[in-house]
Amino acid sequence: EAGVAQSPRYKIIEKRQSVAFWCNPISGHATLYWYQQILGQGPKLLIQFQNNGVVDDSQLPKDRFSAERLKGVDSTLKIQPAKLEDSAVYLCASSFEGARNQPQHFGDGTRLSIL
Amino acid sequence: KQEVTQIPAALSVPEGENLVLNCSFTDSAIYNLQWFRQDPGKGLTSLLLIQSSQREQTSGRLNASLDKSSGRSTLYIAASQPGDSATYLCAVRNYGQNFVFGPGTRLSVLP
Repeated sequence: EAGVAQSPRYKIIEKRQSVAFWCNPISGHATLYWYQQILGQGPKLLIQFQNNGVVDDSQLPKDRFSAERLKGVDSTLKIQPAKLEDSAVYLCASSFEGARNQPQHFGDGTRLSIL
Repeated sequence: KQEVTQIPAALSVPEGENLVLNCSFTDSAIYNLQWFRQDPGKGLTSLLLIQSSQREQTSGRLNASLDKSSGRSTLYIAASQPGDSATYLCAVRNYGQNFVFGPGTRLSVLP
């Protein structure tokens, strides 16, 4: 089966600019996650979707970050305006039906550098 | 609030050696624990998932154990190979919560 697809792979922008990332989960996976991974740290959950509804966005900096999953499949994560501390890898993951005993499958991520 | 630590931060071993990676967590009321591997520039690959009712899981040369009472999990890698070189992360999930990840252990297996 095809894995989780993310694009772009790399993005370089200046602070205060905006940026968007795209994720296509594994077919049939109802649950989608966006994580932020800062260099040398483990991933931190930003937002979790179940189909097109938000389940957990408690750690999403809502003043500058937004995410949507309009048709319950693809998802986009946006940062506007970007700050230097947003430099990180943004990982998308999906799992089957959000069951807590199902493993998460990760994409290769988008590496964001803020100048 | 769950906190996950991994020791050591980095480990270098000669090929063929058996090794153990450690994961500690502060809240023992977990639902499950998952070990991942991350290669440079790549996403995470799931290795083993242990439910709270289990004490260990095995896959090939990998064996993960779970001791909830002491807040610890170990990942045992037998007969290490250069291809095992990667960062290994553990992630802990409590009931009603999402995964909390440790910072990872960077493993280098020298030929």
